Amino acid sequence: GAVVSQHPSWVICKSGTSVKIECRSLDFQATTMFWYRQFPKQSLMLMATSNEGSKATYEQGVEKDKFLINHASLTLSTLTVTSAHPEDSSFYICSARKQGDEQYFGPGTRLTVT
Amino acid sequence: KNQVEQSPQSLIILEGKNCTLQCNYTVSPFSNLRWYKQDTGRGPVSLTIMTFSENTKSNGRYTATLDADTKQSSLHITASQLSDSASYICVVSADGNNRLAFGKGNQVVVIP
Repeated sequence: GAVVSQHPSWVICKSGTSVKIECRSLDFQATTMFWYRQFPKQSLMLMATSNEGSKATYEQGVEKDKFLINHASLTLSTLTVTSAHPEDSSFYICSARKQGDEQYFGPGTRLTVT
Repeated sequence: KNQVEQSPQSLIILEGKNCTLQCNYTVSPFSNLRWYKQDTGRGPVSLTIMTFSENTKSNGRYTATLDADTKQSSLHITASQLSDSASYICVVSADGNNRLAFGKGNQVVVIP
């Protein structure tokens, strides 16, 4: 149990375009979902926390208008990188948590902006 | 300054040998400490989780220890296999399961 999936697993997009990443909890309902970004040889950095049906809470320094997060259901959250630039190229990882339980991480999405 | 420091940053070990990875943290208050294995290009996978009252936890060939007084943890890998090549991340939680402090990871390479 406690499986989290992400789609796509990797994506290449052109600078200036937008790209959407999906995060799904496959076998449980996630009250909270988290989005992280990880640069090579670095720690996972929390970008935002989202609860189903409410606005996401963004970490300091993360632009909410650039990284749009939607948590429309208890099993799905999406991250949209708008007007992507090469510096947005990174590994994006989501995690999902049900009430009183730990975070379960997805397999990650590799974004490359050319 | 990172609240979770791991050492060594990287190491190479021969297949079949043992190794020990270190994690020091300053997170306070303390709720729990986890070790994750992260394969290249993949998300972290949980190996062990320990609360304040636990000082050792095993998962197969992986054994984690915790000294909450000195705020240190270690992960011991026994009889390493090629598939153990990965980054091992120490993660400390202060408030249960929401806000996590991540180490940069110990990069382990197992060679035949």
